[in-house]
Amino acid sequence: IVMTQSPHTLPVTPGEPASISCRSSQSLRDSNGYNFLDWYLQRPGQSPQLLIYLGSTRASGVPDRFSGSGSGTDFTLKISRVEADDFGVYYCMQGLQTPYTFGQGTKLDLK
Amino acid sequence: QVHLVESGGGVVQPGKSLRLSCVASGFTFHTYGMHWVRQAPGKGLEWVAVIWFDGSKKYYGDSVKGRFSISRDNAQNTMYLQMNNLRADDTARYYCARDYGGYGDLDYWGQGTLVNVFS
Repeated sequence: IVMTQSPHTLPVTPGEPASISCRSSQSLRDSNGYNFLDWYLQRPGQSPQLLIYLGSTRASGVPDRFSGSGSGTDFTLKISRVEADDFGVYYCMQGLQTPYTFGQGTKLDLK
Repeated sequence: QVHLVESGGGVVQPGKSLRLSCVASGFTFHTYGMHWVRQAPGKGLEWVAVIWFDGSKKYYGDSVKGRFSISRDNAQNTMYLQMNNLRADDTARYYCARDYGGYGDLDYWGQGTLVNVFS
């Protein structure tokens, strides 16, 4: 399954909203209605951090300014108001079938 | 407190082998699936392999299938990645990660270990 993110780079001003798109080459929705799509943030020099799993469920400790939406092949990660700690590279990843695959990443940059 | 610590990386010549280890602590290791994910210098994340909680199932990325082997020792809270016939494009930081829900939700990651395949 090929994962495609857009944009590649997203310049944002702290306090403003941000939105990242992720599309899969086939549906990530199973027969029970679950979407096997995760979002990760990798800050500079750090290991990735799970933000969202099953398309829209925030991981433990993730602020509610992060939200995930979408179903099937089209997904979106939204940040309601970007903070300084949010800059880095965001990845989506599909967990529906092996081999699991990541998107190419979207770099959230300071505008 | 969950901790994952990778080790075993280093500089190796093409065609040689290396074994990475990931020691887990702070959770019931034998009840979680575990993954290896790698990141080449300046590049994005690439999923490498997964092993089921009991070691009964193992799956690999296309680029490592047939060369890499994932395993685990639940008595030692340790996961391994045996890497054979290494190539230059295997150069990367290798992370181990815990699978939270069994569907690729990688909720804890180690700091990674660097592998440099260099002739």
